Amino acid sequence: DGGITQSPKYLFRKEGQNVTLSCEQNLNHDAMYWYRQDPGQGLRLIYYSQIVNDFQKGDIAEGYSVSREKKESFPLTVTSAQKNPTAFYLCASSIGGGLGPKNIQYFGAGTRLSVL
Amino acid sequence: EDQVTQSPEALRLQEGESSSLNCSYTVSGLRGLFWYRQDPGKGPEFLFTLYSAGEEKEKERLKATLTKKESFLHITAPKPEDSATYLCAVQGRINDMRFGAGTRLTVKP
Repeated sequence: DGGITQSPKYLFRKEGQNVTLSCEQNLNHDAMYWYRQDPGQGLRLIYYSQIVNDFQKGDIAEGYSVSREKKESFPLTVTSAQKNPTAFYLCASSIGGGLGPKNIQYFGAGTRLSVL
Repeated sequence: EDQVTQSPEALRLQEGESSSLNCSYTVSGLRGLFWYRQDPGKGPEFLFTLYSAGEEKEKERLKATLTKKESFLHITAPKPEDSATYLCAVQGRINDMRFGAGTRLTVKP
């Protein structure tokens, strides 16, 4: 079955620690995205990548880093510089930038990150 | 800046009681308006995309409509399994999707 796999489902971070969230897709999509979801707020874009070896900052990139070495994978690192990391993190992918159905973003099941 | 406002924040219905969810938006050059369903602790599930005013899409008990300023998600004769948070998003520029905070729908049997 094609889809987006996020792991782990739950993650705990100690103060001063960097943690990495995994996102893998087998949909052959070019574009991938990371969002953060907080209670009562809309999804906010952290980073996105339209193609391998290229990525762009979203609205709330500070304290986060990404890489896109393979088309299928777009890991997100939450660094110690992110002072309020507790949230639900969602990875998404789309066929690619453009008009029409290419814009539809499909989401993984999410990773819930908490601070110890 | 593109903005999306969803109302109401929460809606409680009896099974079979039809209603509508609202998504008001401001965007410079609409590329698409998207509706998603999100169950607790899970990722959003794509429902519909609308591209121009006057367009309508239907899926089972759900019908989405679009005007130049807002979109409605109509739910006809809802069932308890329709309980979820419904998210609206607009895309103006490429790769810039703006999400509303969602409407949390509860359908009581």
